[in-house]
Amino acid sequence: DGGITQSPKYLFRKEGQNVTLSCEQNLNHDAMYWYRQDPGQGLRLIYYSQIVNDFQKGDIAEGYSVSREKKESFPLTVTSAQKNPTAFYLCASSLLAGFTDTQYFGPGTRLTVL
Amino acid sequence: DQQVKQNSPSLSVQEGRISILNCDYTNSMFDYFLWYKKYPAEGPTFLISISSIKDKNEDGRFTVFLNKSAKHLSLHIVPSQPGDSAVYFCAAGGGGGSEKLVFGKGTKLTVNP
Repeated sequence: DGGITQSPKYLFRKEGQNVTLSCEQNLNHDAMYWYRQDPGQGLRLIYYSQIVNDFQKGDIAEGYSVSREKKESFPLTVTSAQKNPTAFYLCASSLLAGFTDTQYFGPGTRLTVL
Repeated sequence: DQQVKQNSPSLSVQEGRISILNCDYTNSMFDYFLWYKKYPAEGPTFLISISSIKDKNEDGRFTVFLNKSAKHLSLHIVPSQPGDSAVYFCAAGGGGGSEKLVFGKGTKLTVNP
């Protein structure tokens, strides 16, 4: 089965700790994305990558970092510099780079910082 | 500045009737529009899309209409089913100078049996 997996589904961390959220896809998609969703809000773009070893900041990149060493993997690190890290994090991928291709989403990771 | 607006936070309809979800956008450069459906604590599921060269796209019970002059799109669900109850997001992207997909805040649809 092809798809996007995110793990874990729920994650708890203490304030001040860095945490890495996993995102893997076996769809052979070129592009991958990280979004954040807060209650009553739309999805906001954190980072995106259109090709291996390259990534770009989205609208709210401060306090986050990413890497794209493999086509199928795009992990997101939430650093202690992120002021309000508690949120629902969504990873997505699209076959083609650029934003005119349909993005498909993973199941999400709910991060709670205590 | 919100480029994609879904002005109705919620909508309630009876099973079997039509659900109409609306979305307005401000950036005339957008040329690709999508609708996603989202259940709580899950990732959004792609429903249907439309490019700016068309004014209608249909897929089963779902039809998206695009009115470029009004910068308005709508999603029609006919007939509505209880399983359609979810939050629906519209998104817009593409076009010169628009390099990301912009999402609305969502409309929560409740279909009552």
